[in-house]
Amino acid sequence: GAVVSQHPSWVICKSGTSVKIECRSLDFQATTMFWYRQFPKQSLMLMATSNEGSKATYEQGVEKDKFLINHASLTLSTLTVTSAHPEDSSFYICSARARSGVDRSLRQPQHFGDGTRLSIL
Amino acid sequence: QQQVKQSPQSLIVQKGGISIINCAYENTAFDYFPWYQQFPGKGPALLIAIRPDVSEKKEGRFTISFNKSAKQFSLHIMDSQPGDSATYFCAASWGFNKFYFGSGTKLNVKP
Repeated sequence: GAVVSQHPSWVICKSGTSVKIECRSLDFQATTMFWYRQFPKQSLMLMATSNEGSKATYEQGVEKDKFLINHASLTLSTLTVTSAHPEDSSFYICSARARSGVDRSLRQPQHFGDGTRLSIL
Repeated sequence: QQQVKQSPQSLIVQKGGISIINCAYENTAFDYFPWYQQFPGKGPALLIAIRPDVSEKKEGRFTISFNKSAKQFSLHIMDSQPGDSATYFCAASWGFNKFYFGSGTKLNVKP
């Protein structure tokens, strides 16, 4: 079945550093990828939507200069948390949507990765 | 404004019992209603989903009941097992675009 891989699964870094998280669709082409943030015991909140080859669309309240999203290919999107601070510590989850009309065999419209636990000291 | 409201926040059920989680939505344009199961430290996994043109969908022990006029849908887990203990999220979207998630229900199935 379809698999979305996130890397790393867990990262700890010092305040002020930048962290890059990768999201890969392993067996399908993802024209759209979504980035979510989930704080402990809370729901998933959409941060941004990225379409391959174009700029990401950020949700209200999400700083685009702090959370840089790149979707350079149909199988890879990256989220870079720049100058991370302790309040950025969270669980970041990506999901990928297949190109419609091509991957009809896929059962679900979005496939989620296993998330990245980010801890900023 | 919260687009999808979920209840209860937590639920304790005895093994073999029925777990029921409810969600209500605001936007009548929503056309896809999935339920996700999430274990600690993992991403959400799709359990079952429904479109608004049917009132019920069953897959194994999992059933979605959908009430379009009331703008509500619910998840029923029959014969609940300890392995079902997890957090469950309902969601809604239109056109398979952005998902609006409910606040989550932590289910604990007692042996």
